[in-house]
Amino acid sequence: ETGVTQTPRHLVMGMTNKKSLKCEQHLGHNAMYWYKQSAKKPLELMFVYSLEERVENNSVPSRFSPECPNSSHLFLHLHTLQPEDSALYLCASSQVDRLNTEAFFGQGTRLTVV
Amino acid sequence: AQTVTQSQPEMSVQEAETVTLSCTYDTSESDYYLFWYKQPPSRQMILVIRQEAYKQQNATENRFSVNFQKAAKSFSLKISDSQLGDAAMYFCAYRSAFGDMRFGAGTRLTVKP
Repeated sequence: ETGVTQTPRHLVMGMTNKKSLKCEQHLGHNAMYWYKQSAKKPLELMFVYSLEERVENNSVPSRFSPECPNSSHLFLHLHTLQPEDSALYLCASSQVDRLNTEAFFGQGTRLTVV
Repeated sequence: AQTVTQSQPEMSVQEAETVTLSCTYDTSESDYYLFWYKQPPSRQMILVIRQEAYKQQNATENRFSVNFQKAAKSFSLKISDSQLGDAAMYFCAYRSAFGDMRFGAGTRLTVKP
């Protein structure tokens, strides 16, 4: 247990469905991240929220919509996904003003789009 | 943008032997941090070791040590006395002054008994 909890652990959804991934951290961190990990590509940074404001969006398709209501919670809203979006989605948190501290990761949500 | 390169998709080591995983990175920043993460089959990313760019001394954590060459932008991980539990994906990561982390493609390490 790293202090970062992701739900659900597994998700199967159709291309017309709308679902949300949830991430919660209990570490008092002020930055949260979404990463995508697939068999074909390395860990891809999708979104960064620092002090509850989005600071980076790496040209992620609009079918992925992040939400960070407070420093402890991060959501990834999914709609009209494609089969190639099937991957492991990892959430992480860190203390942005303490560079020597690592990012702590959740166990990920394994997403399958059918 | 910073990039992190791990040129070895897969590595194999005999139990009790030593293995070195390579990592290079590209940056124009002078202040940053480097990390090695381990991802076992459970998928949980676990920090193995960290290195501050301003420190010349290589970091060491028990059987894990790094060879940090700042001028060459190289950050390799050495695992000594390899154990079966060391089998995992290993990711090299770069953390900029802005806080976000960039990862390499990973190296899958197999430990043979």
